[in-house]
Amino acid sequence: DAGVIQSPRHEVTEMGQEVTLRCKPISGHNSLFWYRQTMMRGLELLIYFNNNVPIDDSGMPEDRFSAKMPNASFSTLKIQPSEPRDSAVYFCASSLDSSGNTIYFGEGSWLTVV
Amino acid sequence: AQSVTQPDIHITVSEGASLELRCNYSYGATPYLFWYVQSPGQGLQLLLKYFSGDTLVQGIKGFEAEFKRSQSSFNLRKPSVHWSDAAEYFCAVGARGSQGNLIFGKGTKLSVKP
Repeated sequence: DAGVIQSPRHEVTEMGQEVTLRCKPISGHNSLFWYRQTMMRGLELLIYFNNNVPIDDSGMPEDRFSAKMPNASFSTLKIQPSEPRDSAVYFCASSLDSSGNTIYFGEGSWLTVV
Repeated sequence: AQSVTQPDIHITVSEGASLELRCNYSYGATPYLFWYVQSPGQGLQLLLKYFSGDTLVQGIKGFEAEFKRSQSSFNLRKPSVHWSDAAEYFCAVGARGSQGNLIFGKGTKLSVKP
């Protein structure tokens, strides 16, 4: 079975540019999570969706960040405009309601903003 | 509020030696408990989880963890470490009865000496 699929795996962009990260959750999973990992702050939840509806976006750092889930098999995390401090690894993860919060992670999108 | 503490930032053990990684949590009731492992450049992989029942949980790669309610701990153990176990290990808690996210500890980096 395919796991959580993220793209791009690596991106280098200039400050001020728009960045869009994409995620395909595991088929049948109905919760989707976006996490950010940095050396300083560790693993932080940015936002999560349940049945395509955003449930908790309190972790989104500021208005430059936005996330959408137009359907059960696709989500995007957008940063506009990007800043150097946004450089991090962004993980998408998914879970099934009946699985007791077991979350399955993608390989991550490694973002560098210069 | 839920929280997870991994008191050891970095541990070095010799190959073949035993390993114990500590995890303490703060939660009002018995949470779901997880250990994940992250190899360099990779996403997080689930090692094991505790939901209920036997407090000693077996996971993949020869790992086990023991839930101790009285100590609010969920320490990860392995009797004999292999060089391939060098990675970062994350403990996480999830709230029962909700489909919310997991709260992760800051992680413990494991180095293995030949």
